[in-house]
Amino acid sequence: DTAVSQTPKYLVTQMGNDKSIKCEQNLGHDTMYWYKQDSKKFLKIMFSYNNKELIINETVPNRFSPKSPDKAHLNLHINSLELGDSAVYFCASSQRRQNSGNTIYFGEGSWLTVV
Amino acid sequence: EDKVVQSPLSLVVHEGDTVTLNCSYEVTNFRSLLWYKQEKKAPTFLFMLTSSGIEKKSGRLSSILDKKELFSILNITATQTGDSAIYLCAVGNAGGTSYGKLTFGQGTILTVHP
Repeated sequence: DTAVSQTPKYLVTQMGNDKSIKCEQNLGHDTMYWYKQDSKKFLKIMFSYNNKELIINETVPNRFSPKSPDKAHLNLHINSLELGDSAVYFCASSQRRQNSGNTIYFGEGSWLTVV
Repeated sequence: EDKVVQSPLSLVVHEGDTVTLNCSYEVTNFRSLLWYKQEKKAPTFLFMLTSSGIEKKSGRLSSILDKKELFSILNITATQTGDSAIYLCAVGNAGGTSYGKLTFGQGTILTVHP
């Protein structure tokens, strides 16, 4: 019973294609994220949704569009893929807490390779 | 912009050694500092620290935060080959639209030889 699951795990596609990665969490959390890990292993936030509302949108190209149909799902659609989009994309979730830090739980990652 | 710097970037030790990993940070509105272990796949949560001087411990791993000097350390005693991984430090921001955002360091690659 995977807490944060994302599909596909591996994706190889050609430049210019459009692709989607799906994410679901069964932890009952109200906040979901997309993080990107580049070849140097740097994890960087892309988007965050709280109760289906976009709250963090870092400087990510418009070709990346997240969609949250409900608070348990956060999908990532990427248009016109470029070579530089090759990376591991991690979905994550947490429960927003007013007075303490929130622990973020990660999915297993989607390895995207653009050729 | 929030910033997290980890050192060393990589470390090679033998089983049984003790290691100390360092994490220093700058964040506009500190909420928490987290340590994660990443093997081949997802980063897995180790510790969350919010208060200075209180050590968190889990088996052979322990961590402490110094909010005055803006750093944290992660100690691993009696290392085992299974400890080989990338250790990631991240700080959580409590401010406004950055609420919940984690800024990660570049990680420390730990290799433990038998």
